[in-house]
Formats: sequence, structure tokens, C-alpha cells
Amino acid sequence: DAKTTQPTSMDCAEGRAANLPCNHSTISGNEYVYWYRQIHSQGPQYIIHGLKNNETNEMASLIITEDRKSSTLILPHATLRDTAVYYCIAKSNFGNEKLTFGTGTRLTIIP
Amino acid sequence: DSGVTQTPKHLITATGQRVTLRCSPRSGDLSVYWYQQSLDQGLQFLIQYYNGEERAKGNILERFSAQQFPDLHSELNLSSLELGDSALYFCASSLAPPGNEQFFGPGTRLTVL
Repeated sequence: DAKTTQPTSMDCAEGRAANLPCNHSTISGNEYVYWYRQIHSQGPQYIIHGLKNNETNEMASLIITEDRKSSTLILPHATLRDTAVYYCIAKSNFGNEKLTFGTGTRLTIIP
Repeated sequence: DSGVTQTPKHLITATGQRVTLRCSPRSGDLSVYWYQQSLDQGLQFLIQYYNGEERAKGNILERFSAQQFPDLHSELNLSSLELGDSALYFCASSLAPPGNEQFFGPGTRLTVL
């Protein structure tokens, strides 16, 4: 799996969009970008994943640069319940199903 | 609620002991994964089972073993416990390879005294 780099921590005001960056400059062509989050000590929760195109679901949007070397997870209207550690993971879907978690970004939503 | 259940929620035991952690995957999911989260190592993949067979192995110690039963529930056995085994143990499940989305259980917090 390609190495990913994320800021250690970020703050965002409640109601604003939270933009979480991830660098994956060595990502290979068959590796997807996955985002999970972990609220306090709960089990990690899947958010979204993508390969090349931007993706959106009910939780978030994922913007992947054209060269695929970086991506941004966008939480459009952050709430206090979005305070969590967010993990960006680059993973191939072929022959490798395990998730390799880095240290993630600790996102704090400020009231 | 992810649909994955883990028991027990908390476990306190002594060094040298053996414990069994149990995981029931979401209905219909064939793959089960075990992860360990400790303060110094972060979240680490231990082992994966798919439809009863071991599919992938990560940083799992020789003292640890797992299995997946015909009803697809899984157990993680930890023996000769050491203080450093204190951690959160998560089970996750997914429908089938390639496991796009893994659903995690609430975890078992193991404390070894």
C-alpha cells in the first residue's frame, strides 16, 4: 500500500465545511483512496472511497487530484459529532483486503 | 450500529492467562478481519478469514490464533498474555473480497494486569 501523509490535527468551526487533505504521492494505478474515521475509541467507520473521479455520498465528498498524488475529504457542514480521527488509506482492491492505518488527522469541531 | 457484534466489551485478566474474544459479522458477510489498537502501535491488522479459511496474516504474534466457524462467527484466542497485549481489539466484516467497505464492531478492551 502506498504511504499516505496527513496533518496531525485540524480544527473546524461547526457548520462550516471541513477539508481534510491527504498526500499519497507514490500511489499506484490500481490503488484506491479510502477514508475511515474513528470517533473516540469506537470502531472505525467507513466514509468514502475513490479511484480517479470525485465521489460524493451522504457523509462526504472526495476530491482526487488529476495526478492522483493527493486528495481531500470534504465534510460539507461539520457538526460536533464529526469530531474524530480521520484516516486516509491507499489500498489496492486486488489480492489485498487488509486496511493499513496510519496516524490520521484528529479533527476537532469547534462550537 | 454497524451490525458487527463483539463480546465481551471489557476483559481484565492477569499475565500468563488465556482469553477468547468473539466476533459475529454482519449477516451475509463472509470475510472477518481482526485488528489491534494499542497506544504505541496504533491500529494494526492481525488476520483475516474468508468463509472459514485463513486468507491473510498481518502482525499477529505466535501466541495469538484465530478461527472462523461454519456459522461465520470468529474467535481470537490470546494466550500467555503479557502486559503489552493490553489494547482494543476490533473485528470487522465485509461481504466478500475485495472488501471495499469494512464494517467494524465496537471492540473488546483487554487489560492485562
